[in-house]
Amino acid sequence: AQSVTQPDIHITVSEGASLELRCNYSYGATPYLFWYVQSPGQGLQLLLKYFSGDTLVQGIKGFEAEFKRSQSSFNLRKPSVHWSDAAEYFCAVGHTGRRALTFGSGTRLQVQP
Amino acid sequence: SAVISQKPSRDICQRGTSLTIQCQVDSQVTMMFWYRQQPGQSLTLIATANQGSEATYESGFVIDKFPISRPNLTFSTLTVSNMSPEDSSIYLCSVDLTTSGRAYNEQFFGPGTRLTVL
Repeated sequence: AQSVTQPDIHITVSEGASLELRCNYSYGATPYLFWYVQSPGQGLQLLLKYFSGDTLVQGIKGFEAEFKRSQSSFNLRKPSVHWSDAAEYFCAVGHTGRRALTFGSGTRLQVQP
Repeated sequence: SAVISQKPSRDICQRGTSLTIQCQVDSQVTMMFWYRQQPGQSLTLIATANQGSEATYESGFVIDKFPISRPNLTFSTLTVSNMSPEDSSIYLCSVDLTTSGRAYNEQFFGPGTRLTVL
């Protein structure tokens, strides 16, 4: 069965600093990978996705993620964090045999002024 | 993309009662999903709802507790039956917009229904 691990439960960064949120997956074949963001009281918004091709994918709000097959990772990055980025971030995985997504436990991002 | 609405957005219910959550999509979709997000937790899939067939439930979820309807390609309901405080969660529906020629497409999520059971 596929699984997703987000090892960081809570991360605090200063506004303007760079950010990297970690995500590791477990799946035998090439998975489909996603990052979603959930702001307080809000639904889930898709930041970016990886299906195939270029392993560095660009998303909305200045986020990017890199798929590294050798490390089974799909880490999310942003060069300069804004206070509005404070939210919960979820990594998720899917594959052709299962349309539903498996979510990681989430990483709560706090941004200090 | 898809615009998904859910009703109600939130509710406070008494133990032992039932609540039906509605999910409406602005386009026809084959696959819809219902997830639960318990307080401070991640999302867990409850069931997959395809139009014209019975919903498929994940381990730990049963039809008697979470009956689902899928009467057409734009609408679904999830009922939380005989509620207890442990059912207090956010319930989210999502749709898979896989198009022909694509192996996979992203899922779009509704805004969620925040349920509190007293």
